[in-house]
Amino acid sequence: DVKVTQSSRYLVKRTGEKVFLECVQDMDHENMFWYRQDPGLGLRLIYFSYDVKMKEKGDIPEGYSVSREKKERFSLILESASTNQTSMYLCASSLAGQPYEQYFGPGTRLTVT
Amino acid sequence: AQSVAQPEDQVNVAEGNPLTVKCTYSVSGNPYLFWYVQYPNRGLQFLLKYITGDNLVKGSYGFEAEFNKSQTSFHLKKPSALVSDSALYFCAVRDYNYGQNFVFGPGTRLSVLP
Repeated sequence: DVKVTQSSRYLVKRTGEKVFLECVQDMDHENMFWYRQDPGLGLRLIYFSYDVKMKEKGDIPEGYSVSREKKERFSLILESASTNQTSMYLCASSLAGQPYEQYFGPGTRLTVT
Repeated sequence: AQSVAQPEDQVNVAEGNPLTVKCTYSVSGNPYLFWYVQYPNRGLQFLLKYITGDNLVKGSYGFEAEFNKSQTSFHLKKPSALVSDSALYFCAVRDYNYGQNFVFGPGTRLSVLP
């Protein structure tokens, strides 16, 4: 089974802090994605990566950055956390040949106070 | 731009009854359509997809979905609901801006009552 793990299930940070959310997948998937999930808005794509050291902006990249130094790991960085970044963050991965079958991690619920 | 609508925030159904979760879409090209489910405190799980072929698509856990091009709909169905089907359901469409990504609908919460 594909396994996508995220470093924390729950995280509480203060406004202005730098926040790192880590995602690791164990199935050698080329593609990795970061979404945020908010009630009534569904999932919105923040950043994605099709290969190591490669990154592309999604629909809502403002206030976020990413890093992919190794194929299995994709990190989301909030340079200076703000209260409007309080949300559920979901990581996903997929094979390059099966891009529409994305496998999701359990999510990190981030609260910024 | 492509978009996905799920007109019902919440659907309640009695156990054993058929269930339908509605989805309509708007795309500029051929639609690639998907359903995902999110159980409490868990990530999303893939249920089924329509790329081409038969309009009735069968997926995991006894779910199926019917693609209707004229109505631009892709409703999720199950003949007999289980309490364990209670979850948040997301419809998604291929994002033509980013070929390997999705545009998700807002989600519909399904509650199956015993």
